[in-house]
Amino acid sequence: EIVLTQSPATLSLSPGERATLSCRASQSISSSLAWYQEKPGQAPRLLIYDTSNRATGIPGRFSGSGSGTDFTLTISSLEPEDFAVYYCQQFSNWPLTFGGGTKVEIK
Amino acid sequence: EVQLLESGGGLVQPGGSLRLSCAASGFTFRNYAMSWVRQAPGKGLEWVSIIGSDSGGIQYAESVEGRFIISRDNSKDTMHLQMNGLGVEDTAVYYCAKGRGVAPPATRSFEYWGQGALVTVSS
Repeated sequence: EIVLTQSPATLSLSPGERATLSCRASQSISSSLAWYQEKPGQAPRLLIYDTSNRATGIPGRFSGSGSGTDFTLTISSLEPEDFAVYYCQQFSNWPLTFGGGTKVEIK
Repeated sequence: EVQLLESGGGLVQPGGSLRLSCAASGFTFRNYAMSWVRQAPGKGLEWVSIIGSDSGGIQYAESVEGRFIISRDNSKDTMHLQMNGLGVEDTAVYYCAKGRGVAPPATRSFEYWGQGALVTVSS
């Protein structure tokens, strides 16, 4: 099973700041990575697929990068609605696995 | 508009069974693989199972293999998860999720999610 390790567990930032979230895979997954945003009481929302492609309707301030085992989700300038929990997910190997999440909270 | 509506959740005793359903609308259901993903209270996301558009390509997480059965009825735009031998560790919100695309690997990331069905396993 591929283990995804997200860091940091919590990121405390102010609106307007840049957020950089990391996801590291226990073995190479090529570019088979997605990112999701989850807010309390809501279903997760797909942000990024195939490492760097924004899903439909996702603002341009969200970007993804990386390959192999190291991946990054960047939010260029945090908006109030961006404070949430973010998960990465690999779909290179079975079973599909998610990272443990990074909570982006208001500083 | 894509909609996924889960039903069938509830309280069940350890060792019991429950059947979840997911009613889909707003897209051509028969063309897409579908998955179940769960989230235990206060925890992260855990993928449970996937079923291909034609009911092939079924995969399960090791934690549910042999106890859960995924199925779908393309004539009714519905997917099911039969859960047997439930334990307290199966307590979670169960989400129905639509694959992003019609062919692998796009089937294995999730473009739309339902609002979830709560399953509580407790005596």
